[in-house]
Amino acid sequence: DTAVSQTPKYLVTQMGNDKSIKCEQNLGHDTMYWYKQDSKKFLKIMFSYNNKELIINETVPNRFSPKSPDKAHLNLHINSLELGDSAVYFCASSPMTSGGGNEQFFGPGTRLTVL
Amino acid sequence: AQSVTQPDIHITVSEGASLELRCNYSYGATPYLFWYVQSPGQGLQLLLKYFSGDTLVQGIKGFEAEFKRSQSSFNLRKPSVHWSDAAEYFCAVGDNYGQNFVFGPGTRLSVLP
Repeated sequence: DTAVSQTPKYLVTQMGNDKSIKCEQNLGHDTMYWYKQDSKKFLKIMFSYNNKELIINETVPNRFSPKSPDKAHLNLHINSLELGDSAVYFCASSPMTSGGGNEQFFGPGTRLTVL
Repeated sequence: AQSVTQPDIHITVSEGASLELRCNYSYGATPYLFWYVQSPGQGLQLLLKYFSGDTLVQGIKGFEAEFKRSQSSFNLRKPSVHWSDAAEYFCAVGDNYGQNFVFGPGTRLSVLP
């Protein structure tokens, strides 16, 4: 059983297109995240959702819009793709308890290439 | 807000040699510290974590890490490296609310036969 899954694994598209990446977790976690990993392997959080509500929205272009239809899913929609959007995008989830410090479980990543 | 530094961008060790990867953090409260490993083309896997208690924590694959509050460090160690340990290693610090993680820039480990 895959705990955190993402589709597609690879995505190649032209500049200006709109694309979506889907993420699903079957761990029963309350919190989900999107990260962007650039070519230098630097990981930066983009969004965090808790029980379908946006918690963290780092400085990302508003061309990026997360959507959480239920707490097991957090999809990432990207409008008007640009060359600089090329990266690996990771979805993650974690349980939400009052103590904090919960580990995050990562999906396998989606490698987005914008031509 | 928390921050993490990993001073070594790339480390090369021989197979069978010992390993220490450095991590320094900055956080105003009790830190929640993590080490993740990312093999080429893969997602991130948790090696170990520190929340409280014993400052020496054991993880998977023979890794351990020691939390030193006085030095704001959480260095990862392994007594004998295997070729399969070649990967990117990330240190991370989580906040008290379990909502925000900050990752360090990563250390790439190469293993010589």
